[in-house]
Parts: sequence; structure tokens; C-alpha cells
Amino acid sequence: EAQVTQNPRYLITVTGKKLTVTCSQNMNHEYMSWYRQDPGLGLRQIYYSMNVEVTDKGDVPEGYKVSRKEKRNFPLILESPSPNQTSLYFCASSWTSEGNEQFFGPGTRLTVL
Amino acid sequence: SQQGEEDPQALSIQEGENATMNCSYKTSINNLQWYRQNSGRGLVHLILIRSNEREKHSGRLRVTLDTSKKSSSLLITASRAADTASYFCATDRHTGGGNKLTFGTGTQLKVEL
Repeated sequence: EAQVTQNPRYLITVTGKKLTVTCSQNMNHEYMSWYRQDPGLGLRQIYYSMNVEVTDKGDVPEGYKVSRKEKRNFPLILESPSPNQTSLYFCASSWTSEGNEQFFGPGTRLTVL
Repeated sequence: SQQGEEDPQALSIQEGENATMNCSYKTSINNLQWYRQNSGRGLVHLILIRSNEREKHSGRLRVTLDTSKKSSSLLITASRAADTASYFCATDRHTGGGNKLTFGTGTQLKVEL
């Protein structure tokens, strides 16, 4: 089944404790992206990757890192999480960045205490 | 305000009625996409309309695009309780780093029996 998977789905952590949210897609998509969703703000792009070893900042990259060593995986790293990073996170992928529908993962609900 | 803003923010209708949601944006775009999100879950792509198209249909969905007014509308005909969800428009535009998909804040649709 074609899908985007994220792990963990739920995470409660404390300020400053490094964490990684994994994202994997099995559709051989070139483009992958991370978003955060907050009430009243919609989805905001954190980072995106147009292909392996190519990543770039989105609208709200501060406090996040990403890597794209393999085509299928695009982990999101929070080196030192803070309470303002409490949010619902979505990974998405598409064939390319140009005019393609994006396939979304199920989301990761992160709470930073 | 953000590129891609939906109107209204919330809409409540009776089953069988039509639901219309609007999206306005600011800059020129390559295409505009509509997504649906059931509560707290990943977004699902509904329909894509290119900048040179004016109207597109998919099942009970009808999307229009007016590039001169920088606006789009999503019409759901003969609504069902299962259509209850949040609906987002996303504008796809070319930037220096490739294409960028920017989401609006969404319209919450409630279809009552």
C-alpha cells in the first residue's frame, strides 16, 4: 500500500531533550516536506527536500533540523525542544515539487513540557 | 495575512445541502489544490486546478479558479454527514528554490443529519 508513515504518533517530552520524528514513504517520491499545524494558523512548512541530499528551509525552520540521506526517509530532528514546539506535525511527499498532489502521513502529536 | 485564506472559517449545513468554501490568495500561482482533513488526521488531496483552468469537477466536487481576482471556490454538492471535516486550499507557486505549496487556515465544515 502506498503510504507515508511517521513515528512516533504521540510523544510527550521535556524541554531540552533531543528527539527525532521519523518519516518514510514507499512511493519513490522525490519531494518530501515537514509541516506543523497549530490552531488558527493552518499548516506551516518547516523544511522541505527536493531530492536526496537537497534540503531547504520552509517558513518556520527555527529549532528544527532535517536530513535526506535516502530517498524514502526524511527525519525531523529537534535538538533542544521547547514548549513552543508543542504542535501537530505532518510529513508529506510528492513526485516532485511541481504541481503534484502531496501525500500526507498520519501526523505526530508532540507535547513539550 | 497568509497566502491562501479560506472563507468562511466555519460552516454548518444540513445533509443534502450544498457547501461552498472560498479561498483568496495574493501572488500569482502555478496551480491551486484543495485538501480535506478529518479531525487530527493527515490531509487528503481532493482536487488540483491549474492556473490556466477555470473550472474542474470531481464527483460531487466542483472547483473554480479566477486568477484575475486571485480566488478559488470549492463546492460540495448534496453534502453528507461524512463530509464533515476541515477543508484547506493550498497555492502552488514558483519560488527561487523551486515550487512552494502554501496552505491556508482552513474551513471547518459540519454537516448535520
